Amino acid sequence: QVQLQESGPGLVKPSETLSLTCSVSGYSIDNGYYWSWIRQPPGKGLEWIGSIYHTGSTDYNPSLRSRVTISVDTSKNQYSLKVTSVTAADTAVYYCARDWRGWDSVDYYYHMDVWGKGTTVTVSS
Amino acid sequence: EIVLTQSPGTLSLSPGERATLSCRASQSVGSRYLAWYQQKPGQAPRLLISGASSRATGIPDRFSGTGSGTDFTLTISRLEPGDFAVYYCQHYGNSLYTFGQGTKLEIK
Repeated sequence: QVQLQESGPGLVKPSETLSLTCSVSGYSIDNGYYWSWIRQPPGKGLEWIGSIYHTGSTDYNPSLRSRVTISVDTSKNQYSLKVTSVTAADTAVYYCARDWRGWDSVDYYYHMDVWGKGTTVTVSS
Repeated sequence: EIVLTQSPGTLSLSPGERATLSCRASQSVGSRYLAWYQQKPGQAPRLLISGASSRATGIPDRFSGTGSGTDFTLTISRLEPGDFAVYYCQHYGNSLYTFGQGTKLEIK
């Protein structure tokens, strides 16, 4: 059974860098799939942050691209998120998710099929 | 960038009733790029439908997705107590994902 688990500080000071890690179990990142980060501010909807392939190829939300870096460590079966120069607007629950894109033996699909439980990050001094 | 607009914002229904949720795209999109998720309070989203109409593994056939072009619909045929949640549509295109703002399905 594939499981994803987010980890990292729950409190970050304004202007500093938010760093989170997603640990994957039950599936090797090297075997494929993209791996995504999504966030949800309190009481609001979902916002896709970006994704990474096991080769290190990345896609980012244009609205966050200048502040976001996603990286992968296949030896640890983990991938990570960094958001620089954070403000209160970055306060959110951050989710990692497995991201399927393409042919699935029947048709082409694009979705996130396995999610972590999420971790709350608060930006405050 | 595609903008997804979901309606209604809130839908109040009773168990056993039929729910119809709408997702409208700002321009025509391919059906294969449209997915639906369910999110309950304090939980991560759960994939329901992919490719506009294909149910994800373990999703009961009470849930169905239809649509093409700019208009997509998620239908829940007979509401059960566990179906009351927030539902999001999602689009993939040009190497990025966008989500609708969500429809809250609440018990009447």
